Amino acid sequence: EVQLVESGGGLVQPGGSLRLSCAASGFTLSSYDVHWVRQPTGKGLEWVSTIGTSGDTYYADSVKGRFTISREDAKNSFSLQMNNLRAGDTAVYFCARGSGLPEIPWFDPWGQGSLVTVSS
Amino acid sequence: DIQMTQSPSSLSASVGDRVTISCRASLSISNYVNWYQQKPGKAPKLLISVAFGLQSGVPSRFSGSGSGTEFTLTISSLQPEDFATYYCQQSYSGPPTFGQGTKVEV
Repeated sequence: EVQLVESGGGLVQPGGSLRLSCAASGFTLSSYDVHWVRQPTGKGLEWVSTIGTSGDTYYADSVKGRFTISREDAKNSFSLQMNNLRAGDTAVYFCARGSGLPEIPWFDPWGQGSLVTVSS
Repeated sequence: DIQMTQSPSSLSASVGDRVTISCRASLSISNYVNWYQQKPGKAPKLLISVAFGLQSGVPSRFSGSGSGTEFTLTISSLQPEDFATYYCQQSYSGPPTFGQGTKVEV
């Protein structure tokens, strides 16, 4: 079964850092682009970041310079390092496998989501 | 960025109803639209992709249509398990963007 499982969410103060991880199983991670998408409580979906199979990275303007996506194919996992967090970053973060081109993917499947709360 | 606008934001329907959800792109995106279903507290699920159409395991009562700037997701006969929020997403030009969602309620 193809599955993605996130870990690492929690409560952090503004300006703090947090690292989300996504463990993949049931497929060969190295063959796929992977992504992070977030959803503030009660709101819609916002693409955050992508890392392609060659290590090429893409970021939403709202997180560029603060978030870093990385992957470890040998460990079947990828991560999102989030620095200088702001209240506006509060959301459920989903990891997802991508299809299509890395810049213009569709997402399937998705992880279960990990809540990140930025508050003092 | 390409803006995706869904209508309505929410709708009330009954089991057996035919339901239509619209999605409009801010510029022409050919047929590069994907549709997702999300139930409360769960991750989105891909229903229809631009490349493969209806995903494996998705009931045939779901269908997608449209091109250019106007797209539609249709549920031909609403079932109890279809009450959820639906999102369109464009994969024509980066960054990928989503509609704001349409909640289908009883």
